Amino acid sequence: EAGVTQFPSHSVIEKGQTVTLRCDPISGHDNLYWYRRVMGKEIKFLLHFVKESKQDESGMPNNRFLAERTGGTYSTLKVQPAELEDSGVYFCASRPRTGTSGSIDEQFFGPGTRLTVL
Amino acid sequence: GESVGLHLPTLSVQEGDNSIINCAYSNSASDYFIWYKQESGKGPQFIIDIRSNMDKRQGQRVTVLLNKTVKHLSLQIAATQPGDSAVYFCAEKFSGGYNKLIFGAGTRLAVHP
Repeated sequence: EAGVTQFPSHSVIEKGQTVTLRCDPISGHDNLYWYRRVMGKEIKFLLHFVKESKQDESGMPNNRFLAERTGGTYSTLKVQPAELEDSGVYFCASRPRTGTSGSIDEQFFGPGTRLTVL
Repeated sequence: GESVGLHLPTLSVQEGDNSIINCAYSNSASDYFIWYKQESGKGPQFIIDIRSNMDKRQGQRVTVLLNKTVKHLSLQIAATQPGDSAVYFCAEKFSGGYNKLIFGAGTRLAVHP
């Protein structure tokens, strides 16, 4: 079974530019999460989708960040315009729908996208 | 890949020794806890989890202990191997919190031959 995939693995952009990150969750996982880790700090929650709906977006830093999950499959996270403090690693995680087999709380993480804003 | 944890606390152990990584969590209402391992350039990988109605859970070479009285979580790794070298994160989920995870700062484990 393929795991969570993210694209690109690295992105280097200049301040003021736009970047779009993509996450493909494990097939069939209704829940999709975005997290980010700014260098040297803890991993922080950004938002949570259930299928195509935003369940919780309390961690989104400001309105320069826009996440979408049209069709309830893959998700994109767009940063526009990017600022220096947006640099970090952006992780995506997915989880099966509650009640399906396995640990219902475990989140499966992708490898992350390292974003550098110059 | 990501340089994981430039300024993280580090636990150094000899290969074959047992390792204990500690974590203090923040919310007494949390009902689920999980340990992740992150190697450089990779995303967090599940190690073991535990629910708040338990105080101990064992996996293969790993044990998680939960002390709700003092809001403390620990991960014990038996017979530590060089492949265990990584950054370890604990995370908690608040009861009813839509499963968002709140992560700790992480601990780097360095295993020496």
